[in-house]
Amino acid sequence: AQTVTQSQPEMSVQEAETVTLSCTYDTSESDYYLFWYKQPPSRQMILVIRQEAYKQQNATENRFSVNFQKAAKSFSLKISDSQLGDAAMYFCAYRSGEDSGYALNFGKGTSLLVTP
Amino acid sequence: DSGVTQTPKHLITATGQRVTLRCSPRSGDLSVYWYQQSLDQGLQFLIQYYNGEERAKGNILERFSAQQFPDLHSELNLSSLELGDSALYFCASSGRAGGAGELFFGEGSRLTVL
Repeated sequence: AQTVTQSQPEMSVQEAETVTLSCTYDTSESDYYLFWYKQPPSRQMILVIRQEAYKQQNATENRFSVNFQKAAKSFSLKISDSQLGDAAMYFCAYRSGEDSGYALNFGKGTSLLVTP
Repeated sequence: DSGVTQTPKHLITATGQRVTLRCSPRSGDLSVYWYQQSLDQGLQFLIQYYNGEERAKGNILERFSAQQFPDLHSELNLSSLELGDSALYFCASSGRAGGAGELFFGEGSRLTVL
């Protein structure tokens, strides 16, 4: 099964600054999808951004963008102009191919603290 | 609001007991996924159903079972409960068995086994 690694258990950023969360994955597939989900204290899982592996252009959603390096199997999330509401656990996820039924495999998460 | 409804939100029970968690997917979504989130294990995929049929299995224990009904709601049955089964159980849905669609998560059912 594909593994997703988030090497930063915790990160801290000051309000209005930029922070980058790291994610690497292991796969032999050429076509797949990658996601970042946010889990605030409410525990709700919220999609932040999605990247299709066949697209070379990095996805962007407002203040959130990714740096997708397919050869390096790296998928980092950049949060610009950080806000207090961005404080949450962030999970990187890989969407398996057909043999695995398209379930998402998650990393263990990075806890982001935003300080005023 | 993701459109995925899970009940109950909280459940406290004793070891050896059996519980059923219920999930209603987003309107029109055919796929339902179950995940377990423990403090030390992150989010673990348990099982997926697509239009009533089991589609994929993850790290689901034999004491656990699930099904998806004709109206597409799903139930996760947990039996012979152990202390280690205490966790947040998420249901998620998506529109198709494949495709680029993300999963939409419910708010979770928090199970505490005493």
